[in-house]
Amino acid sequence: SAVISQKPSRDICQRGTSLTIQCQVDSQVTMMFWYRQQPGQSLTLIATANQGSEATYESGFVIDKFPISRPNLTFSTLTVSNMSPEDSSIYLCSVSGRQGVKETQYFGPGTRLLVL
Amino acid sequence: AQTVTQSQPEMSVQEAETVTLSCTYDTSESNYYLFWYKQPPSRQMILVIRQEAYKQQNATENRFSVNFQKAAKSFSLKISDSQLGDTAMYFCAFMNQGGSEKLVFGKGTKLTVNP
Repeated sequence: SAVISQKPSRDICQRGTSLTIQCQVDSQVTMMFWYRQQPGQSLTLIATANQGSEATYESGFVIDKFPISRPNLTFSTLTVSNMSPEDSSIYLCSVSGRQGVKETQYFGPGTRLLVL
Repeated sequence: AQTVTQSQPEMSVQEAETVTLSCTYDTSESNYYLFWYKQPPSRQMILVIRQEAYKQQNATENRFSVNFQKAAKSFSLKISDSQLGDTAMYFCAFMNQGGSEKLVFGKGTKLTVNP
């Protein structure tokens, strides 16, 4: 499985501010994804991070609120903008396509965000 | 749209015993993948097992095995010889083959292994 790291691991932020979460993979991967897990809930896909082009967002998520970058095949960032307490969640990145293994996602350790 | 249903919000089992977690899904597709992920209190999502829908043989990984019933759209996870470290949330997930690789998750089952 891929070694995936996320920074920060957790943060406490004030409403109205923004936080950028980084996801780094130890080798090139085809696909990178960002998920949100609200307290006590399951995971919901925010967007697919596309290398060299704009991310593909799921219904209910917009680029202005969750801008995503993917400058290369091993790195992506998710920004949570103009935060409110409702954004308090765990944010997880996942990857697939490492070493040619497609259609299987491996997850990073997650970023626990609390917005006050 | 695909949906995944886990009807057991919580389950418990005694150490060394066997437990089965249920999952059903709804899709009109023929080719897809099914997964079980484990999320212990550390919050790390760990892939437990993967099943390809075109394979009739049930996937196994050590103490973990599945009962895949394609016609019934059922995908249960059996954990044998339960260990304390198996205590976690277990999520069933669905992915269409050859598409966006989007994972659709069930709501999860909280499993507690008691000593």
